[in-house]
Amino acid sequence: DVKVTQSSRYLVKRTGEKVFLECVQDMDHENMFWYRQDPGLGLRLIYFSYDVKMKEKGDIPEGYSVSREKKERFSLILESASTNQTSMYLCASSFRQGGIYEQYFGPGTRLTVT
Amino acid sequence: GQNIDQPTEMTATEGAIVQINCTYQTSGFNGLFWYQQHAGEAPTFLSYNVLDGLEEKGRFSSFLSRSKGYSYLLLKELQMKDSASYLCAVRLPPIYSGAGSYQLTFGKGTKLSVIP
Repeated sequence: DVKVTQSSRYLVKRTGEKVFLECVQDMDHENMFWYRQDPGLGLRLIYFSYDVKMKEKGDIPEGYSVSREKKERFSLILESASTNQTSMYLCASSFRQGGIYEQYFGPGTRLTVT
Repeated sequence: GQNIDQPTEMTATEGAIVQINCTYQTSGFNGLFWYQQHAGEAPTFLSYNVLDGLEEKGRFSSFLSRSKGYSYLLLKELQMKDSASYLCAVRLPPIYSGAGSYQLTFGKGTKLSVIP
């Protein structure tokens, strides 16, 4: 069974704090993704990575950075958290090839920035 | 930019059939996915279409017309547990050949309520 885990289900941080969200997958997937999900806006891609140390910007990378030092782990970093980064953050992973290889999602981290 | 449209909300009766439409205009196309997301949970994969036509999987079917930029998800014999959001997502070709990665662009989702 594919498993994508995220370090926290709920997180409360103060404005200006540095925030780390961790994601780990156990299926040897090459691709990993970070999304945020907001009511009325749907799932939006922040960053993705297709290999160790490789990263690509998604649709909304501003205010975020990522790190992929090991194949199974992908971290999302908020350098200085702001209230407009309050959201549900979802990590996903998949094989690199096309075909029917779908993305598997983690349970999400609900981040509140006060 | 990428544009994927689906209705915001739908309501249907237990035991009935419901069709959720999705239209897309994207810079490329490498398949269309449907995901189901129950409130407070992660999205889970339902179906995948890359060629025109209908794919059937139990009570769920998905249809694709690439020339029209159109897909639908058909849910038959609705059950209360089908109350969820349904997300349409288009997979885009890799940014560059050889080493790139496929990414998905999602619609905003359709919240389906199944009533007794």
